[in-house]
Amino acid sequence: KQEVTQIPAALSVPEGENLVLNCSFTDSAIYNLQWFRQDPGKGLTSLLLIQSSQREQTSGRLNASLDKSSGRSTLYIAASQPGDSATYLCAANSGNTPLVFGKGTRLSVIA
Amino acid sequence: GAGVSQSPSNKVTEKGKDVELRCDPISGHTALYWYRQSLGQGLEFLIYFQGNSAPDKSGLPSDRFSAERTGGSVSTLTIQRTQQEDSAVYLCASSLGAGTKNIQYFGAGTRLSVL
Repeated sequence: KQEVTQIPAALSVPEGENLVLNCSFTDSAIYNLQWFRQDPGKGLTSLLLIQSSQREQTSGRLNASLDKSSGRSTLYIAASQPGDSATYLCAANSGNTPLVFGKGTRLSVIA
Repeated sequence: GAGVSQSPSNKVTEKGKDVELRCDPISGHTALYWYRQSLGQGLEFLIYFQGNSAPDKSGLPSDRFSAERTGGSVSTLTIQRTQQEDSAVYLCASSLGAGTKNIQYFGAGTRLSVL
């Protein structure tokens, strides 16, 4: 059974700092690894999706990497801004299965 | 529509009452998912519809929970005889299909409070 873990649970950084959020998964037979952002009281916004054959995906200041052999993914945020403050969720699925989510990392970027 | 739409956005009910939550997926998306987000529990899968196939109900926590998807589009999640532990945010997602490459797009959720 797939289990997804995210550390840290919460992170506070000053504006402008580069940061890394970590995600680990127990079953390396994944199809997709997806990173989401959730603002308070809102739904989830998909940030990046990495397919099993890929090693990384980039979108603007965000870069997500995937290492299936070690069961890890990282989300790198460059030059953080207060608007980046949110909860970041990592999720994985295998074939025709629903996503299994981590509990998220709550990020606060202080101006 | 432009995105996944869920209604109502908030629902307050009394213990023992039945509730219905609605999800309108993105037009053309064949896969539809229901998840529940409880405080401190993270997101958990409830039920999954793919095209005309029988739904995957493996995540439903009890027989008080059921869901339908009519005409391959709109879905309704029904909770009978609600309990306080059912209080959570219920999120719906849709995707073009299942398997690789299919990004799931989420609605804003329905916040259910059972008093």
